[in-house]
Amino acid sequence: GENVEQHPSTLSVQEGDSAVIKCTYSDSASNYFPWYKQELGKRPQLIIDIRSNVGEKKDQRIAVTLNKTAKHFSLHITETQPEDSAVYFCAASKRAGYKLSFGAGTTVTVRA
Amino acid sequence: DTAVSQTPKYLVTQMGNDKSIKCEQNLGHDTMYWYKQDSKKFLKIMFSYNNKELIINETVPNRFSPKSPDKAHLNLHINSLELGDSAVYFCASSQDSATGILNSPLHFGNGTRLTVT
Repeated sequence: GENVEQHPSTLSVQEGDSAVIKCTYSDSASNYFPWYKQELGKRPQLIIDIRSNVGEKKDQRIAVTLNKTAKHFSLHITETQPEDSAVYFCAASKRAGYKLSFGAGTTVTVRA
Repeated sequence: DTAVSQTPKYLVTQMGNDKSIKCEQNLGHDTMYWYKQDSKKFLKIMFSYNNKELIINETVPNRFSPKSPDKAHLNLHINSLELGDSAVYFCASSQDSATGILNSPLHFGNGTRLTVT
């Protein structure tokens, strides 16, 4: 089955700086890579996703890049704000939703 | 108005008891899931149903039994609860079909925090 590794497990950044989270996956057939944000005590919510036919996608301060050859993808958050503090999960699957395999999560803390 | 709603939000019970968690989605999605999030925040799929049919059954003790009376509902019944069952259980849904590749992400419910004492 798919194995997704996520690094780092914790990340502390100064407000206004950038944050980068990296994930690798094992199954070359995976073609859907979403990122979820989970605030303390709340449900995970999709913030951005990318499919294997796209190398990069951006949505305001959030961007995701995908390197299919190396089987890794990354989340980039620019101009971080305190409300970006949360746990971020990467995931991979062969289809949207089906048996998503999640990374272990990265706890991001934005220092004011 | 909640798209995926699950009840109860908190569940505290003793070892050996049987309990149920209910989930309903009003998004018209075809597929529903149960995920378990342990104390280390790891999210692991337990079950998935597509149009009331079980399609994913991960390595989960058979004390856990999902039931889908219709495609908008997926309930989770747990028998003989153990300490290790303590976790947050998330229901989710997506518009994936068993035969097609669609572009719908997972929509999670707010979670049920189960504490077994």
